[in-house]
Amino acid sequence: GAVVSQHPSWVICKSGTSVKIECRSLDFQATTMFWYRQFPKQSLMLMATSNEGSKATYEQGVEKDKFLINHASLTLSTLTVTSAHPEDSSFYICSAFGQLDNQPQHFGDGTRLSIL
Amino acid sequence: KQEVTQIPAALSVPEGENLVLNCSFTDSAIYNLQWFRQDPGKGLTSLLLIQSSQREQTSGRLNASLDKSSGRSTLYIAASQPGDSATYLCAVKPRAGTASKLTFGTGTRLQVTL
Repeated sequence: GAVVSQHPSWVICKSGTSVKIECRSLDFQATTMFWYRQFPKQSLMLMATSNEGSKATYEQGVEKDKFLINHASLTLSTLTVTSAHPEDSSFYICSAFGQLDNQPQHFGDGTRLSIL
Repeated sequence: KQEVTQIPAALSVPEGENLVLNCSFTDSAIYNLQWFRQDPGKGLTSLLLIQSSQREQTSGRLNASLDKSSGRSTLYIAASQPGDSATYLCAVKPRAGTASKLTFGTGTRLQVTL
C-alpha cells in the first residue's frame, strides 16, 4: 500500500485563489519531505526541501512567497500555492525517504493543479 | 553538478520481448541508485534500489545492474507485458541521509504492444 499519501489528487480553481496540497507519510515519521513539479513529458523538478520544525529550503528560481511550505509535524507537510495563476498549472508531487537511510524514496500520487 | 541521462527516450516493443533501459550519470560518487516507474497522471513507484556497493538487484521480471565506476546502470525487463507500459526513471542519491536530494534522469517512455 501507499506509504506517502497526497491530497487532493486534482484541483481546478480560478486565478487568484490559493490552493493547499497535503502530503502525509503513513507508517513512518519523515523529518524531511520533498516537493517536486512536473511539466508534461518532462522529468521531475525539485522545488523545495521541507524540514520538520524549520523553514523549507527552496531551489534556485522557486519563489518562496508563491509556494509556501509548512512541515509542522513529522507526518505532514503542506504546499500552498498562493494567488495562483494559469502558469502555476502543473503536476505537483511530494516524497519522503523512509526512516532508515538505505530505504527507497516514496512518492505520493501527485496533485494535478489547473488554474483557469 | 550531477547529470543523469536515459537512453532511449522512448521505446516500443511487442509483448514478450526482453528489453534493456539505460541510465548514465556523470559523477560516480553516488550513495545509491533507484529505478522508478511512473504511470500517466500518477506519482512514482519505486521498483529497485541499488546501493553503491552492490552490482545488481532483482525483483520478479526486473533486474537492475550498477557499474558505479563507469557511471552506468541498466534495467532489464524480461518477457515484457502490456502492463509494463509506463515511463521509467532512474535517480541517483549523492550521499547518505534522508535530506539528500535525488537527481533524476530524463526518463524512458516504454510502450509494450499486443
